[in-house]
Amino acid sequence: SQTIHQWPATLVQPVGSPLSLECTVEGTSNPNLYWYRQAAGRGLQLLFYSVGIGQISSEVPQNLSASRPQDRQFILSSKKLLLSDSGFYLCAWSHVTEAFFGQGTRLTVV
Amino acid sequence: GDSVTQMEGPVTLSEEAFLTINCTYTATGYPSLFWYVQYPGEGLQLLLKATKADDKGSNKGFEATYRKETTSFHLEKGSVQVSDSAVYFCALSLGGTYKYIFGTGTRLKVLA
Repeated sequence: SQTIHQWPATLVQPVGSPLSLECTVEGTSNPNLYWYRQAAGRGLQLLFYSVGIGQISSEVPQNLSASRPQDRQFILSSKKLLLSDSGFYLCAWSHVTEAFFGQGTRLTVV
Repeated sequence: GDSVTQMEGPVTLSEEAFLTINCTYTATGYPSLFWYVQYPGEGLQLLLKATKADDKGSNKGFEATYRKETTSFHLEKGSVQVSDSAVYFCALSLGGTYKYIFGTGTRLKVLA
């Protein structure tokens, strides 16, 4: 069966520090991968999606970047975090007509 | 552009009350429609889905019918429980774009 791993679950980082969140998928090949962010009091915002290795599409301009170095690995990064980067980050993969989500990372920038 | 609109929350109900959470969509094409649920401190879980007009998705006592004429996918449950307290997200996907578009979510609180 397919599973998705996302870590860490919780992260507290100072303003200006770098960020790296990792997501891996098991049990499927060539998945579509996504990073979503849920800011406090707001819905899910699609940040990035990828249909293959090295292929990244950005949905909104921001302080973040994404990379897909391997077929089932998706990384969300920042060189310098801002307070506004705080939120709940969700990785997901999709197959045909359904998306599957990781457990999420709660990031607090202080 | 494509979008999903959900009713504003929070929704507070007593146990065994009837639940309706409204969801309407705008899409250029024939989307698949979903309801996801997020329990406190967790990620999202698929609750139910419908892939074409007039399909009814159902799971755990929840139901939603894909209404193309009204572009709606309202979530209903006849008798809610305290354990149903969560945030509910309506979403659509258009397969060709590989993207999922979510509503803002509706927080449900069920009181014993």
